[in-house]
Amino acid sequence: GDSVTQMEGPVTLSEEAFLTINCTYTATGYPSLFWYVQYPGEGLQLLLKATKADDKGSNKGFEATYRKETTSFHLEKGSVQVSDSAVYFCALSENGEKLTFGTGTRLTIIP
Amino acid sequence: DTAVSQTPKYLVTQMGNDKSIKCEQNLGHDTMYWYKQDSKKFLKIMFSYNNKELIINETVPNRFSPKSPDKAHLNLHINSLELGDSAVYFCASSQDIMGYTEAFFGQGTRLTVV
Repeated sequence: GDSVTQMEGPVTLSEEAFLTINCTYTATGYPSLFWYVQYPGEGLQLLLKATKADDKGSNKGFEATYRKETTSFHLEKGSVQVSDSAVYFCALSENGEKLTFGTGTRLTIIP
Repeated sequence: DTAVSQTPKYLVTQMGNDKSIKCEQNLGHDTMYWYKQDSKKFLKIMFSYNNKELIINETVPNRFSPKSPDKAHLNLHINSLELGDSAVYFCASSQDIMGYTEAFFGQGTRLTVV
């Protein structure tokens, strides 16, 4: 079945550091790929998505590129801020009906 | 205004009890979901409803029964609670099925069965 594997956390970085959170997936077809973020005390919310190979999703300075050849959708940001501290979930949807999530990666940014 | 709200936020109860978690969305969405986050942090879908009709039921024990009185509400009732039911339960909604449109999640309900 479909599955998502993402980088184990927690991840701690200093402000303005470069961020990469790895995500790889297994799917039988051509899924859509997502990153969701959960800020402290809030529900998950969509950060960005990509629906086909080589698409790049971007939002709030975060980017992720759909790489079919490596079945990956790594999340990157050039310069993180304290306000980026949250839990990040990679997810896929094969048929649109549901999202299959990874385990989440807790990111803490220290000033 | 909270888009998707769940109550309670925390629930501690004894084995064998029956409990309910309520979920309401004020976004006018047609589809609502329940997800369970287990101890290993995997988020797994349990149910989805579209316009009050059950669409997805992912091999969930019969002790779990979702109820959708209207499009804005999807409650989760759990009978005869077991230790293994301890988890965080998330409610979500989307305008269309969540693979195509943005899903909005509640804050989660942390259920602890003792």
